[in-house]
This record gives sequence, C-alpha cells and structure tokens, in this order.
Amino acid sequence: ETGVTQTPRHLVMGMTNKKSLKCEQHLGHNAMYWYKQSAKKPLELMFVYSLEERVENNSVPSRFSPECPNSSHLFLHLHTLQPEDSALYLCASSQVEGSHYGYTFGSGTRLTVV
Amino acid sequence: GEDVEQSLFLSVREGDSSVINCTYTDSSSTYLYWYKQEPGAGLQLLTYIFSNMDMKQDQRLTVLLNKKDKHLSLRIADTQTGDSAIYFCAENGDYKLSFGAGTTVTVRA
Repeated sequence: ETGVTQTPRHLVMGMTNKKSLKCEQHLGHNAMYWYKQSAKKPLELMFVYSLEERVENNSVPSRFSPECPNSSHLFLHLHTLQPEDSALYLCASSQVEGSHYGYTFGSGTRLTVV
Repeated sequence: GEDVEQSLFLSVREGDSSVINCTYTDSSSTYLYWYKQEPGAGLQLLTYIFSNMDMKQDQRLTVLLNKKDKHLSLRIADTQTGDSAIYFCAENGDYKLSFGAGTTVTVRA
C-alpha cells in the first residue's frame, strides 16, 4: 500500500464506549497529524507528532488520547465522547525538513457519537 | 496568529471559469496551498505557491498571490463537473499548516 491509510472509514459509538482510530503512512514521512473536520468550520489541528514526539496539543479534551509508537503509525484513542465530537477525523503526514511540506491526507474516519 | 478565511460557497456554470478567494494573516508564511476534497475522501494537494511569487499556472489552474493584501486566489479555467468539490486554502507555519473552512464549488450544467 502507498499513501496514508485510515481505519475504520466509519465508526458509530456510544458515549460510554472506548475505541481507537488508526492511521498508517507508507511515505517515509517524519511528521503526522490529527485534524478534526466539522461542517463549515476550518480544519481544527488536534495533535502533531514530529519524529515520534508530540509537539502540539491544541487544548484537546482528555477524552481524546493520541499515540505514535513509530514514525509510520498514529492512533487516536477515544473514550466517553460527546455527541459534539461527531465529525470527520483526518490523519496527515509530511516531511518537515525544508520549507515546503505539503501534507498527504488519509481518507478520514467518519465518527458518529450516539 | 494564523487565521485563514474563505467564502463558503461558489456556484459556476460548466465551461466558465471559477475563482476561489482566500485571505490569510501570517505574513511569515513561505508557502500557500490549495487542497481539494471530493465527497468521502481526504484532502488532496492541488497546487502551492512560494511566497515570493505572484502567480503560478498549472494547466487549468492559476494561483494568484497578493502578499501585500495577504490575498490568495485559485482560478479554474473551463470548469468541469469533476471540479465540484470543497477547496481549502492553507498557509504554513512552524511544522504545520493552517486551513480555512473550505469553499464548496458546485458546477451546474
């Protein structure tokens, strides 16, 4: 496989459930990102990992917990979510050396919290 | 700070040109980007422009940058039904990109 792969594509979970989103990149990039996409809002940057270290956490509630075990994999662990957390969650990767680092995005996980 | 703004909707007739506008705030951005998102998919990089350029052309796409006004535009010539999508403008900061809310382009026959 090439590019950035996200699983699952769709997820419905209750507010008391625990689930995880997975992202895998096969591009040799050294940075990975989680974004939240809600309708008609700018993409919200949630977490950034550069060289497997978390470099940014944009005041994201603790019910979202990221994990980056190596440079190719990124997880987002979810627990006790709220209905307003329903959104499309996008993973991206990039190579941050140099000044141009356009992202490669996965297709996203459509999350519905019921 | 980083704040990217775009109009939310654009409707265009097939065969006409589309122009999508964007304003940004970070004057230190060295690159500005346009991404396209089709239904059910992630964002795909369309094109980017270096901040010391005024214009970049790539087939049907023309990017114009007015650095003084912090204004970026994307022109799509001869718009086709396959161009219907959401288009995102983005600026780069330290190790990350900041995106606008996206412009939904609808191409009508």
